[in-house]
Amino acid sequence: EAGVAQSPRYKIIEKRQSVAFWCNPISGHATLYWYQQILGQGPKLLIQFQNNGVVDDSQLPKDRFSAERLKGVDSTLKIQPAKLEDSAVYLCASSGSGRAGTGELFFGEGSRLTVL
Amino acid sequence: DAKTTQPNSMESNEEEPVHLPCNHSTISGTDYIHWYRQLPSQGPEYVIHGLTSNVNNRMASLAIAEDRKSSTLILHRATLRDAAVYYCIPPALGAGSYQLTFGKGTKLSVIP
Repeated sequence: EAGVAQSPRYKIIEKRQSVAFWCNPISGHATLYWYQQILGQGPKLLIQFQNNGVVDDSQLPKDRFSAERLKGVDSTLKIQPAKLEDSAVYLCASSGSGRAGTGELFFGEGSRLTVL
Repeated sequence: DAKTTQPNSMESNEEEPVHLPCNHSTISGTDYIHWYRQLPSQGPEYVIHGLTSNVNNRMASLAIAEDRKSSTLILHRATLRDAAVYYCIPPALGAGSYQLTFGKGTKLSVIP
């Protein structure tokens, strides 16, 4: 079974530039998550999708971050304009169950962003 | 949301058992305890989860205290590949759906 695919693995940009990350979840998984992981910290949830609808985006900095999941499959996370503090690893995860109380999350390898 | 407390770091000798503790004294009666681990330069991976009784799988065992206020992840024979950050996570109810909220976890070092 193919895992969660993310691209690009690494990206270096200058502040105020824009960047986009792509995620392809495990086939059939209805729930998709984007997490931000700053060096030395645990992952922080940015947004959660159920199929193509947003379940929770309360921790997404909406003035500069946006995410979409067209057709309930692939997802894209965009940052525009980027700030120095956005330097982090962006992790995508998917789950076959909308209830994380019992379901397992599968994570991709992440996209490492460096903002100069 | 339930709060968890884990030691920042632990060390173990290779091929010896490792007991990773977690306190979650505010957990609700219906919340599962999840454990994930994150190897260097990789995304987190699921290890095990449980509700009340002890659980075993091919990766580890999970011992849950009778009052559910704490749990212990047990790696029976640590290998170098087990060096990782281990996260103890009781799911939290966010905007109508359960979510996994990660803390800082315990960084496990395995000594050859």
